[in-house]
Amino acid sequence: DIQMTQSPSSLSASVGDRVTITCRASQGISNYLAWYQQKPGKVPKLLIYAASTLQSGVPSRFSGSGSGTDFTLTISSLQPEDVATYYCQKYNSALGTFGQGTKVEIK
Amino acid sequence: EVQLVESGGGLVKPGGSLRLSCAASGFTFSSYSMNWVRQAPGKGLEWVSSISSSSSYIYYADSVKGRFTISRDNAKNSLYLQMNSLRAEDTAVYYCARGDIVARWGQGTLVTVSS
Repeated sequence: DIQMTQSPSSLSASVGDRVTITCRASQGISNYLAWYQQKPGKVPKLLIYAASTLQSGVPSRFSGSGSGTDFTLTISSLQPEDVATYYCQKYNSALGTFGQGTKVEIK
Repeated sequence: EVQLVESGGGLVKPGGSLRLSCAASGFTFSSYSMNWVRQAPGKGLEWVSSISSSSSYIYYADSVKGRFTISRDNAKNSLYLQMNSLRAEDTAVYYCARGDIVARWGQGTLVTVSS
């Protein structure tokens, strides 16, 4: 089975900073990669799919890139409301494996 | 409005069984694959099982294979998860989730496996 590995597991950054989270697949998954945001006590929210397509209503400070095995989620200017845990998920087969998550905090 | 409402969670002893249900509304249920995703307390998301729109394709995570059974009834707009031989490590909030790219999630139902 394909494994998804995120890094870092947590990060602390200042408001306005550029934040980058990476996700690596153990085998190539083309661009079948989604990113989700989960705030404490809330249901996950889809941010990006097809590695780089922004879901409707998601702020443009979020962007995604990558293909094959290496993917990146970038927050161009971190805002207080972006405090959350972020997950990548592959969906190129029916086994929708998630990464372990990256917790983002404000410094 | 799209709604996914889970039910059936609760406290069960190790080795016991539970059946979760997910009632769907606001969209054409029979057109979408569906998933169960769980989250143990304080832990990350774990994909559990998927079923295609016509039930032709069914997949399970290794951690639940042979113990859990996913099913759906398109006439009733409902998704199910039969959970047998439950273990303490199955304790989690179980979410019903729509589609390969999950833009819609239920609010979740808590399953606690404890003696």
